[in-house]
Amino acid sequence: EPEVTQTPSHQVTQMGQEVILRCVPISNHLYFYWYRQILGQKVEFLVSFYNNEISEKSEIFDDQFSVERPDGSNFTLKIRSTKLEDSAMYFCASSEWDSSTGELFFGEGSRLTVL
Amino acid sequence: GDSVTQMEGPVTLSEEAFLTINCTYTATGYPSLFWYVQYPGEGLQLLLKATKADDKGSNKGFEATYRKETTSFHLEKGSVQVSDSAVYFCALKDRGSTLGRLYFGRGTQLTVWP
Repeated sequence: EPEVTQTPSHQVTQMGQEVILRCVPISNHLYFYWYRQILGQKVEFLVSFYNNEISEKSEIFDDQFSVERPDGSNFTLKIRSTKLEDSAMYFCASSEWDSSTGELFFGEGSRLTVL
Repeated sequence: GDSVTQMEGPVTLSEEAFLTINCTYTATGYPSLFWYVQYPGEGLQLLLKATKADDKGSNKGFEATYRKETTSFHLEKGSVQVSDSAVYFCALKDRGSTLGRLYFGRGTQLTVWP
């Protein structure tokens, strides 16, 4: 069964360093998303991406964050200069079309620890 | 704004016990409601959904009914199995919101012992 894959599963970095989290969405999906969950808190929407541009972003997704689809398969989240509060589990998701049904397909997450 | 509040965990049950995980929501419009489940080592996956008031979503023995009067969408299962051990997330999507913007709760860890 097709699945969303994310790498790395866990990354530890120093504050101020750049981090790139990678995702391979399901191949025929057109819509891509990043969510995150800080430990003990809610899963929060960061950004949605369609047709090579950001469709919507939350207030969390500030200038330190960027997303890119550098080729036909990868979808990346970059954090330019990490802060302690960026420590979280980051989930990539994709959907085949506008998910008015709410069905997103998620990866298992990348845990980011900022020291 | 839109938000979801779900029961704090962890929840620990014996096999064949009855499960309820409470979920209430706040929404400005008429949301669709979902339960997602995350099994160990896997991504979140859609368990069930309901798109309007009084709808009942069901899957794998789990059920949840969209109650507009109490703004709730509680997850229930009559007889849990060890394989149901996972984290369960309640979520909503406002009809007016774009694409895949879901509002999630914190998740409830369920552990079922044999």
